[in-house]
Amino acid sequence: GQQVMQIPQYQHVQEGEDFTTYCNSSTTLSNIQWYKQRPGGHPVFLIQLVKSGEVKKQKRLTFQFGEAKKNSSLHITATQTTDVGTYFCAGRGYQKVTFGTGTKLQVIP
Amino acid sequence: GAGVSQSPRYKVAKRGQDVALRCDPISGHVSLFWYQQALGQGPEFLTYFQNEAQLDKSGLPSDRFFAERPEGSVSTLKIQRTQQEDSAVYLCASSPFFTSGSSYNEQFFGPGTRLTVL
Repeated sequence: GQQVMQIPQYQHVQEGEDFTTYCNSSTTLSNIQWYKQRPGGHPVFLIQLVKSGEVKKQKRLTFQFGEAKKNSSLHITATQTTDVGTYFCAGRGYQKVTFGTGTKLQVIP
Repeated sequence: GAGVSQSPRYKVAKRGQDVALRCDPISGHVSLFWYQQALGQGPEFLTYFQNEAQLDKSGLPSDRFFAERPEGSVSTLKIQRTQQEDSAVYLCASSPFFTSGSSYNEQFFGPGTRLTVL
């Protein structure tokens, strides 16, 4: 079945440093979604990408979908303590969603 | 407006007991998903409903797990004869009808039910 891996599993950064998480799928994805889950909370939707090579920005967050639609990345510029949480990518199909393994971000003030 | 709600928020069961977890999706949302999230892991897909039809149940771990959405709104996930390995957070998510190629297929998650099986 489809597998979606993310690296790194954990990342500790100093506040103000940049952060990137990478998502890799074993199969081609029709789209990729990104979610953020705060400690003790539930996943919250950030964005969806559908086109090959697509790049979208949300303030300090930049999302990219690979040309082959098998990988994606999330880059955060100048991290803040409010960025703490686990970031998941997910491949959304018509009736099934496969979440990645997640990257847990810790920001040191 | 109201989001997705789940009840109970916490459930402790003795091994062998049956449990029922409820999900109230956002009104009008066609799609409803159930996920199982173990500690430190990502959500694992269990099953999908489009209105009252259960279109995919490939993620249900065993025949002890059963889900229904009889009127196309509220859904119940039932676990029979609970085992310790069933301990996890069970998440429900709803979304409008999925449109392939659309940039808007956001899933709205509920707070989850934390199940502990002793």
